Amino acid sequence: AQSVTQLDSQVPVFEEAPVELRCNYSSSVSVYLFWYVQYPNQGLQLLLKYLSGSTLVESINGFEAEFNKSQTSFHLRKPSVHISDTAEYFCAVFTGTASKLTFGTGTRLQVTL
Amino acid sequence: DAGVTQSPTHLIKTRGQHVTLRCSPISGHKSVSWYQQVLGQGPQFIFQYYEKEERGRGNFPDRFSARQFPNYSSELNVNALLLGDSALYLCASSLEIDLTLNGGYTFGSGTRLTVV
Repeated sequence: AQSVTQLDSQVPVFEEAPVELRCNYSSSVSVYLFWYVQYPNQGLQLLLKYLSGSTLVESINGFEAEFNKSQTSFHLRKPSVHISDTAEYFCAVFTGTASKLTFGTGTRLQVTL
Repeated sequence: DAGVTQSPTHLIKTRGQHVTLRCSPISGHKSVSWYQQVLGQGPQFIFQYYEKEERGRGNFPDRFSARQFPNYSSELNVNALLLGDSALYLCASSLEIDLTLNGGYTFGSGTRLTVV
């Protein structure tokens, strides 16, 4: 069975500072990895995904994540955060055998001035 | 084009009652999945339906059931509600079961269920 660990429940950061949200997974089969963002009182929005190919994937709003198979990690980074990035971020893993996403417990990113 | 729509947005029920939540997927999407998100936790998989058949079920009691209609919309039913069923219920649609074929789910905004 697969599992996802997000070690940081909350990450406070000042605006324009860099940030890294950590995600580690465990699975005995090939995995496909996703980051979702959830703004207050809303559903989940896909931020970026790794399916195959280049291990570095980017989103349209400046986030990037790198798939590291040896470390079983898929950390999310942004070089300079904005107030509007304040949200809950969820890492998730999909394996074709399970037909479902397994989510981590989430990381609350709080950006302040 | 409309996204995934869920109704109602909020609901308050009493312990022991029954509830039905509804979901309309994106046009053309054949797969609908349901997730439960308890406050402070990540979403937990409940069901997946594809072409009107159940294709996956999470670790939830038999009080939880679902179905998918010919137009691919779906209902989630929960019987004998418990306080612990209070959560945000998310519906997600995708073109196919295999998320790698189309890049992942599109989630609705959810139904906030409060059991008192």
